[in-house]
Amino acid sequence: EAGVTQFPSHSVIEKGQTVTLRCDPISGHDNLYWYRRVMGKEIKFLLHFVKESKQDESGMPNNRFLAERTGGTYSTLKVQPAELEDSGVYFCASSKQGALNTEAFFGQGTRLTVV
Amino acid sequence: QKEVEQNSGPLSVPEGAIASLNCTYSDRGSQSFFWYRQYSGKSPELIMFIYSNGDKEDGRFTAQLNKASQYVSLLIRDSQPSDSATYLCAVSGGFKTIFGAGTRLFVKA
Repeated sequence: EAGVTQFPSHSVIEKGQTVTLRCDPISGHDNLYWYRRVMGKEIKFLLHFVKESKQDESGMPNNRFLAERTGGTYSTLKVQPAELEDSGVYFCASSKQGALNTEAFFGQGTRLTVV
Repeated sequence: QKEVEQNSGPLSVPEGAIASLNCTYSDRGSQSFFWYRQYSGKSPELIMFIYSNGDKEDGRFTAQLNKASQYVSLLIRDSQPSDSATYLCAVSGGFKTIFGAGTRLFVKA
């Protein structure tokens, strides 16, 4: 069974440009999360999808970030326009739906560098 | 107050010793508790989860949960240099999983 996959693994863009990150969750996992880890800081929650619906987007830093999950399968996270402070590693995780929130499986992350 | 708090460390222990990692959380409604290990440059990987008060053992790892004190810990017995990593505590209630900042562990050979 394939794990959570993220594309690209690395991205270097200039300030003001647009970048789109993609996450393919494990098949059958309704929950999809986006997290970000800025250098030296903790992993921060960005948002959570249940199927195609945004369950919680309280962690999205500002309106330059847009996440979508059309059809409830893969998800994209677009940053437009990118700023220097957006640099970090963006992790996607997925989990099954259940009475107790089950373990989340992480992708390898996308390292975003804004220069 | 942060929702999930961990001592950032680094925690340094000699090889063969017991490493004790601690985590406190603020949401009393939390139901599920996870410990993830993250090696530098890698993604977090789940090593333990616990739902009920008490201890849960898996090999060299023991997770301890005390819901009354809102406290969860991870003990690593017979620590090995390969255990050197950042350990992330994660707490889940309802649908959202919140992570602590992580504790860096160094096991000295």
